[in-house]
Amino acid sequence: GQQVMQIPQYQHVQEGEDFTTYCNSSTTLSNIQWYKQRPGGHPVFLIQLVKSGEVKKQKRLTFQFGEAKKNSSLHITATQTTDVGTYFCAGPRGDYKLSFGAGTTVTVRA
Amino acid sequence: NAGVTQTPKFQVLKTGQSMTLQCAQDMNHNSMYWYRQDPGMGLRLIYYSASEGTTDKGEVPNGYNVSRLNKREFSLRLESAAPSQTSVYFCASRHLSREETQYFGPGTRLLVL
Repeated sequence: GQQVMQIPQYQHVQEGEDFTTYCNSSTTLSNIQWYKQRPGGHPVFLIQLVKSGEVKKQKRLTFQFGEAKKNSSLHITATQTTDVGTYFCAGPRGDYKLSFGAGTTVTVRA
Repeated sequence: NAGVTQTPKFQVLKTGQSMTLQCAQDMNHNSMYWYRQDPGMGLRLIYYSASEGTTDKGEVPNGYNVSRLNKREFSLRLESAAPSQTSVYFCASRHLSREETQYFGPGTRLLVL
């Protein structure tokens, strides 16, 4: 079945530095979604990418959907303590379900 | 709008006890979901309800049952709790439209001793 893999599992970042987290699917996706979960919180939707090669920005966050629609990335510039949390990507599985990656947990050193 | 609400927030059970986790949404969403989250394993789907009146198994349904009580409410029942069911449980909902976003509740933290 479809699997969504995320790397790295953990990302330790110095405040002010940039980093990227990657998401790869075993099958072509119609879209990919990204969610953020703060420590002790619940997943919150960030963005959805639909088109091949699509790039979307939210302030310091840049999301990209691969040309083959099988991979995606999230790049954060000038990391801040507010970026702490776990970032999940998710791809559709059938008409109703999502397949979530295991997540990248981000910690920030001040 | 409250969005997705879950009760209780925390629960401690002894092995063999039963309990029902409650979930309600006020966004007029068609589909509802129950996930469990364990360290390093992301979100795993237990059961889902595509629309009122239907329920289907997800990846990890063993030991659980669900009821879609009406369009707003979707409950998860543990008939005989086991330590392996210690987890954080999230309910989510989604409107069947072009956008497939799921909206999550605050979660229930369950410890089974």
